[in-house]
Amino acid sequence: AQTVTQSQPEMSVQEAETVTLSCTYDTSESDYYLFWYKQPPSRQMILVIRQEAYKQQNATENRFSVNFQKAAKSFSLKISDSQLGDAAMYFCAINNNDMRFGAGTRLTVKP
Amino acid sequence: GAVVSQHPSRVICKSGTSVKIECRSLDFQATTMFWYRQFPKKSLMLMATSNEGSKATYEQGVEKDKFLINHASLTLSTLTVTSAHPEDSSFYICSARDVSGVSYNEQFFGPGTRLTVL
Repeated sequence: AQTVTQSQPEMSVQEAETVTLSCTYDTSESDYYLFWYKQPPSRQMILVIRQEAYKQQNATENRFSVNFQKAAKSFSLKISDSQLGDAAMYFCAINNNDMRFGAGTRLTVKP
Repeated sequence: GAVVSQHPSRVICKSGTSVKIECRSLDFQATTMFWYRQFPKKSLMLMATSNEGSKATYEQGVEKDKFLINHASLTLSTLTVTSAHPEDSSFYICSARDVSGVSYNEQFFGPGTRLTVL
């Protein structure tokens, strides 16, 4: 079974600052994929960033980057230069054949 | 590309009636679609995996006779909530996996359906 743990129910960041959201996971699979999704008030799931487990290099997408520590089964998300539009629920997920989500972190961005 | 639609976006029904929710992949083919349920301020919980041309696979604790899933084509899966009761009220989200896009094992999500059972 695959499980995902997000230990921060809520996080807050000042506009233009940097924030890191934590995620740990557990799996017995050697081949899997990790994702961060954003869910704004519209509730549409939006892919933020993804990482293949076999790649050592951390994925980056503009202001979003991850710190993937495979041995520690950790997959944190760093948001740089935070913007008001970044405010949302963020879900970490692991996918082998099906996708399992963490409980989510609600991010607030203060102007 | 990779757009998934859901219909309806909102539905209100009386207790005891059945409600059908459609999930369509608009610009790609999906042999596998997934149905999730999300309670307010909670995470997405996988209900079932829908495979084109075969029976759905349900997660433990999900009543297959209550939540009927049909995946009749490569672009359409339906979830029917039978004899709905107020406790079935929730936000239902579907996702689809592109048959050709095995990279990343990515799923594309629909916008969700809010079901309210009175």
